[in-house]
Amino acid sequence: GAVVSQHPSRVICKSGTSVKIECRSLDFQATTMFWYRQFPKQSLMLMATSNEGSKATYEQGVEKDKFLINHASLTLSTLTVTSAHPEDSSFYICSALRGGTLGETQYFGPGTRLLVL
Amino acid sequence: AQKVTQAQTEISVVEKEDVTLDCVYETRDTTYYLFWYKQPPSGELVFLIRRNSFDEQNEISGRYSWNFQKSTSSFNFTITASQVVDSAVYFCALSEATDSWGKLQFGAGTQVVVTP
Repeated sequence: GAVVSQHPSRVICKSGTSVKIECRSLDFQATTMFWYRQFPKQSLMLMATSNEGSKATYEQGVEKDKFLINHASLTLSTLTVTSAHPEDSSFYICSALRGGTLGETQYFGPGTRLLVL
Repeated sequence: AQKVTQAQTEISVVEKEDVTLDCVYETRDTTYYLFWYKQPPSGELVFLIRRNSFDEQNEISGRYSWNFQKSTSSFNFTITASQVVDSAVYFCALSEATDSWGKLQFGAGTQVVVTP
């Protein structure tokens, strides 16, 4: 089956620093990727839709200047948490839509746990 | 507004018991997809099933079965003869055709605890 990887799997950083998380589709091209955030004991909330070669579309309430998304190739999307603060500590999960055709199942990455001290 | 409701926060069962997880959804679209995912303690989402709005046939896969009823906007999930390995959080999700295709709206999740 299709594989999506994320790097790093865990990251601890100091408050005020920036953290970049990579999402890669390993065996297929993904014109569309999604970034979700999951706080402890809560559900997954969509943060943004990442489209290759164009600007990301952010969900209401998500600061685009804080969560920078770059989808520069068909196999890589990156999420950069700028000036991270403790409240940004969360589990970040990406997913990739294979081929972008109607009804294709999303393939999720294993997630990245971010802890901001 | 919450479009996917999983009213059960946590269900505890003893091994070999059956457990049914409820999922109620809300949409005005005639074309949509419903999903179930399992999230074990490791955090990685495990895809279980996708069902499109035009296919109301129930499905069985091993110990798992799904009951899709458009009349009640429900897509319930049953684990038969539960095992300890079934302990996880289970999410129901909706993808609507009029929204950006592929965007998933998740329910709050149901924690299933299976004890030996």
